[in-house]
Amino acid sequence: NAGVTQTPKFQVLKTGQSMTLQCAQDMNHEYMSWYRQDPGMGLRLIHYSVGAGITDQGEVPNGYNVSRSTTEDFPLRLLSAAPSQTSVYFCASSYSGTGGYGYTFGSGTRLTVV
Amino acid sequence: GQQVMQIPQYQHVQEGEDFTTYCNSSTTLSNIQWYKQRPGGHPVFLIQLVKSGEVKKQKRLTFQFGEAKKNSSLHITATQTTDVGTYFCAVPPMNYGGSQGNLIFGKGTKLSVKP
Repeated sequence: NAGVTQTPKFQVLKTGQSMTLQCAQDMNHEYMSWYRQDPGMGLRLIHYSVGAGITDQGEVPNGYNVSRSTTEDFPLRLLSAAPSQTSVYFCASSYSGTGGYGYTFGSGTRLTVV
Repeated sequence: GQQVMQIPQYQHVQEGEDFTTYCNSSTTLSNIQWYKQRPGGHPVFLIQLVKSGEVKKQKRLTFQFGEAKKNSSLHITATQTTDVGTYFCAVPPMNYGGSQGNLIFGKGTKLSVKP
């Protein structure tokens, strides 16, 4: 199994450009989330989904859009990139049961906005 | 919104010394999870605690959930250089109703180990 696959691994954008960070999982997990990680700030939730067709905002949703048309894919769209969106982005997925299943994280996308 | 305080922010230890990180919440938690992130890597799930007073062990790691379910700790006995990384706790939101789709992470404790 590939687990959670994020592409690209690195990206440099100019201010105002848009792009989509891809996330795919092959574990049939219902839950998927996007986090951004900045030094000293830990992991902050951007958007999350509890199943195909269902998404909701997290702590820092402004400037980002998501959709969940399939169980496997959960892309994150940056509408108009700003330097404040320079960060490491992690996608994560989890089984929805209560058996102590944690999140499986992708390897991350390092985004720089200049 | 829901917040969890994690202390200390940084910890530097000599190899062989013990290490403890604490996670504190102002509200009662339904459960708590712990993750480890190696430098340059991604977070990796370690364990979930659910019951009041629960203690779980994984080799040199001991995880504890407080009796009031408002705090938790991760203790590493006799640290090794392989323990280097940042340790995060993560909790469901206050309105947890069975969904853990939006885990809230603490800011983490960064552990460095001097050989």
